[in-house]
Amino acid sequence: NAGVTQTPKFRVLKTGQSMTLLCAQDMNHEYMYWYRQDPGMGLRLIHYSVGEGTTAKGEVPDGYNVSRLKKQNFLLGLESAAPSQTSVYFCASSSSLYTGELFFGEGSRLTVL
Amino acid sequence: TQLLEQSPQFLSIQEGENLTVYCNSSSVFSSLQWYRQEPGEGPVLLVTVVTGGEVKKLKRLTFQFGDARKDSSLHITAAQPGDTGLYLCAPDQGGKLIFGQGTELSVKP
Repeated sequence: NAGVTQTPKFRVLKTGQSMTLLCAQDMNHEYMYWYRQDPGMGLRLIHYSVGEGTTAKGEVPDGYNVSRLKKQNFLLGLESAAPSQTSVYFCASSSSLYTGELFFGEGSRLTVL
Repeated sequence: TQLLEQSPQFLSIQEGENLTVYCNSSSVFSSLQWYRQEPGEGPVLLVTVVTGGEVKKLKRLTFQFGDARKDSSLHITAAQPGDTGLYLCAPDQGGKLIFGQGTELSVKP
């Protein structure tokens, strides 16, 4: 059971570089989310999607873009990375919006120098 | 803006001890989820509570939802090293799932 898979698991960037994190889920879930986790801050929602071709802003969307071209994939992009974006990023999916169980990936640790 | 607070932030105990962690807010929740996150992993759902005053048990873990649906607690009986992890509460307020900052629990053998 793959569940939710994130790639890459680790990445180091220089300030100003761009990158994309890929999230793939094999549970046929309509809803997908990107969170960031920082020490003492819990999980903060960056962007989410309620279905293929749709995206919406969460709590902390600035500096990030997302795309959901296929139902099973949700991409998180950083166009010009900043040190403040150093964090652990988690993708999640669910069968219902917010109130259903969230299934998380293992996380992607990003360091921006 | 909803204020959500989990306490304590850190807890280090010996195997066999009991403990309680709390999740409090200034707002009323329609439901609340508890997740546990182990190092290097994503959070995993433990339980969802929906009704004010509801108590749910999961082996040695007891979850309670406050009567006014503004708070919740998680009690662990006879903690084991396998209980070590970050415990996150996630109340649903109007269809939006907000995560607390978590309680980091360490259970030493």
